[in-house]
Amino acid sequence: QQQVKQSPQSLIVQKGGISIINCAYENTAFDYFPWYQQFPGKGPALLIAIRPDVSEKKEGRFTISFNKSAKQFSLHIMDSQPGDSATYFCAASMAGAGTASKLTFGTGTRLQVTL
Amino acid sequence: DVKVTQSSRYLVKRTGEKVFLECVQDMDHENMFWYRQDPGLGLRLIYFSYDVKMKEKGDIPEGYSVSREKKERFSLILESASTNQTSMYLCASRRQGAGELFFGEGSRLTVL
Repeated sequence: QQQVKQSPQSLIVQKGGISIINCAYENTAFDYFPWYQQFPGKGPALLIAIRPDVSEKKEGRFTISFNKSAKQFSLHIMDSQPGDSATYFCAASMAGAGTASKLTFGTGTRLQVTL
Repeated sequence: DVKVTQSSRYLVKRTGEKVFLECVQDMDHENMFWYRQDPGLGLRLIYFSYDVKMKEKGDIPEGYSVSREKKERFSLILESASTNQTSMYLCASRRQGAGELFFGEGSRLTVL
């Protein structure tokens, strides 16, 4: 049972372009939506995260857009750079202790930014 | 600087062998996790621990067990390795109540 669906599986964007990765979730109890970035040979690292009380969060060139009614959220990378080439994972979880707070990850998007 | 260290980056084992994957964190985090990463499947949770000696099954616990005798150390055990357990294994830790997971660099296991 895949609770977080991520698309596309891979993405090629020219330098300076906008990269867009989409995720959809099923569990309406989810209330924390992070994006992780993973470079080859490294573990994933938190890039940016959002909670459902806002529709958008921006940190530098990275923006999360959140649509609660559609149960979708997306990552936008503006002015994409070759250094952004990595695998990106969306995730979702419920706040609180115990089983509820485990993160469920999407299947990942491999982004390649070309010159 | 926060650090999650996985002792073995690459392992090659034979079918039926017992395999130990060790993970140590230096951030005094209460929560620790083991994920498995496979192409096209993303990160899938195997087991997690909310505190010392506590463990809970994740989404794919079959064929695995874990041990957490000390707060900083979380071990993943494959009692009898099988070829379908060939994968990248990622350990992560998190402060209780926080959102951010800190990952190690992964252990790539090949079972022949």
